[in-house]
Amino acid sequence: KNQVEQSPQSLIILEGKNCTLQCNYTVSPFSNLRWYKQDTGRGPVSLTIMTFSENTKSNGRYTATLDADTKQSSLHITASQLSDSASYICVVSLQTGANNLFFGTGTRLTVIP
Amino acid sequence: EAGVTQSPTHLIKTRGQQATLRCSPISGHTSVYWYQQALGLGLQFLLWYDEGEERNRGNFPPRFSGRQFPNYSSELNVNALELEDSALYLCASSLSGSYNEQFFGPGTRLTVL
Repeated sequence: KNQVEQSPQSLIILEGKNCTLQCNYTVSPFSNLRWYKQDTGRGPVSLTIMTFSENTKSNGRYTATLDADTKQSSLHITASQLSDSASYICVVSLQTGANNLFFGTGTRLTVIP
Repeated sequence: EAGVTQSPTHLIKTRGQQATLRCSPISGHTSVYWYQQALGLGLQFLLWYDEGEERNRGNFPPRFSGRQFPNYSSELNVNALELEDSALYLCASSLSGSYNEQFFGPGTRLTVL
């Protein structure tokens, strides 16, 4: 069964600290993996996208890693800011099929001063 | 360049009524997707339209329906509203085909009383 699981479900960190969010998937055949940031009550915004051959990709203070062998991805946030408070969603795409996106339930990050 | 727009921002209905939600894709995008995000849950795929035709639908009852207009904007209709239909409804658009990156709108918050 194609699934995407994220951990932790929620996380609270102090401003300026680093954190790492995890995504494990069983989606196959794998096409790509995206991390989205979703502010409360708003639509998700893409942070990074990685294909099978990419191990790491950065977008400012956000760095995503992918291990296609173990089917794991992580999103590392450096020097967190209050504006990083949001839900972070991992989305995995199949290579085939008309409905080929599988969404994780997200990690709710709260950055406190 | 304007992003995906959705209207209304909020919608309050009572059980049994009908709701109509609207979405305008990014210029040049011909695919429109609808998702339901209930409180605390991940995004659930509802419908995919491309070039004016319904390409796929998720595991939702027939009272969830929609259409795509010649200008590629789209409408989601929910008939015989039930309390559990209360959710954030997100629209996304992409270039033609399901393998292109989806860009999300801000969502419509539907509350069923």
